[in-house]
Amino acid sequence: GAVVSQHPSRVICKSGTSVKIECRSLDFQATTMFWYRQFPKQSLMLMATSNEGSKATYEQGVEKDKFLINHASLTLSTLTVTSAHPEDSSFYICSAGPYWAGAETQYFGPGTRLLVL
Amino acid sequence: GNSVTQMEGPVTLSEEAFLTINCTYTATGYPSLFWYVQYPGEGLQLLLKATKADDKGSNKGFEATYRKETTSFHLEKGSVQVSDSAVYFCALSASGNQFYFGTGTSLTVIP
Repeated sequence: GAVVSQHPSRVICKSGTSVKIECRSLDFQATTMFWYRQFPKQSLMLMATSNEGSKATYEQGVEKDKFLINHASLTLSTLTVTSAHPEDSSFYICSAGPYWAGAETQYFGPGTRLLVL
Repeated sequence: GNSVTQMEGPVTLSEEAFLTINCTYTATGYPSLFWYVQYPGEGLQLLLKATKADDKGSNKGFEATYRKETTSFHLEKGSVQVSDSAVYFCALSASGNQFYFGTGTSLTVIP
């Protein structure tokens, strides 16, 4: 079945450094991918919509200069947390679905846990 | 706008007890409704879904009915097991395939 992978699964970095998280669709093409953030004991919040070949669309309150999104191909979107700070520590999850499918065919990645020291 | 309100937890039940987790929503248009489950240390897994009013989604003994008149999608299971211990998220997707999630309900089932 369709699978969405994320890399890395876990990353620890120093404050002020940048971290790149990859989201790949393994057996389908996705013109759109979504990035979510989940704080401990809280729900997932949509951060941005990643659009292949064009700029990402960010939700209100999400800093686009801090969370850089690049959707370079139909199977890969990257989220770069620039100049990370401890408050950016969170669980980041992406989702994607076949370009021809609706929401009921969205698949979530396993998530990337970021810890900023 | 789109939002999901979910029963707050945590919920602790004895094995074989009946489970209900309430979920109500507001949405523009005609959303699809979902329940996702997150086991400790793992990612989200789709539990069940319903794409139109009066549809019933079911899986692994869980079920939920899409009630447009009450804008609800309550999750139920007749007899829970220890292995059902997890966090459950109600979610909706209206247009564009992005999801809006409830706050999650942590369920612990004790033997």
